[in-house]
Amino acid sequence: GNSVTQMEGPVTLSEEAFLTINCTYTATGYPSLFWYVQYPGEGLQLLLKATKADDKGSNKGFEATYRKETTSFHLEKGSVQVSDSAVYFCALSDALTGNQFYFGTGTSLTVIP
Amino acid sequence: KAGVTQTPRYLIKTRGQQVTLSCSPISGHRSVSWYQQTPGQGLQFLFEYFSETQRNKGNFPGRFSGRQFSNSRSEMNVSTLELGDSALYLCASSLVGGASETQYFGPGTRLLVL
Repeated sequence: GNSVTQMEGPVTLSEEAFLTINCTYTATGYPSLFWYVQYPGEGLQLLLKATKADDKGSNKGFEATYRKETTSFHLEKGSVQVSDSAVYFCALSDALTGNQFYFGTGTSLTVIP
Repeated sequence: KAGVTQTPRYLIKTRGQQVTLSCSPISGHRSVSWYQQTPGQGLQFLFEYFSETQRNKGNFPGRFSGRQFSNSRSEMNVSTLELGDSALYLCASSLVGGASETQYFGPGTRLLVL
């Protein structure tokens, strides 16, 4: 079946530190992979996505590369800001199982000045 | 374009009651999905509607149901509420619901069952 395993949190970093949030997946077919971010009291916002192996998604300084050989989609940012404090969710969608999203458990990030 | 809207934003109900939540997708989007978010279980898929038909369903009891109207607006209903139904209910829309499509989420309806 489909599943997403995400790095446990919470993560606390100082401003301008390097961020990595690990995400690995198991999928029946050829999934599309997503990172969503959730700010307090809000819904989920798409951060970036990749739809096939070796694709790199990027947005607002965040990057993630779809690695089929390691079934991973790790999120990285070179220099975090206080405004990046949020909960980050890795997700997959697989055409063989409909378009439902399978989400990881979420990683809470706090960036301190 | 206006985003996905959900009403109401907050709701308090008592055990045994029923509740109806509403979702208006982004204009032009025909696929609407519903998710339940709880601290213990995380984000779980409830069901997806496309062109007024339920196309996909998660592992939730029959107390959870939904429907979609011809203008793509969707409602979900929970009957005989239980304490464990307390959660944030998120609605997401996409153009046609393809697996590689981005789903756009609304702000959610926070349901508290007492």
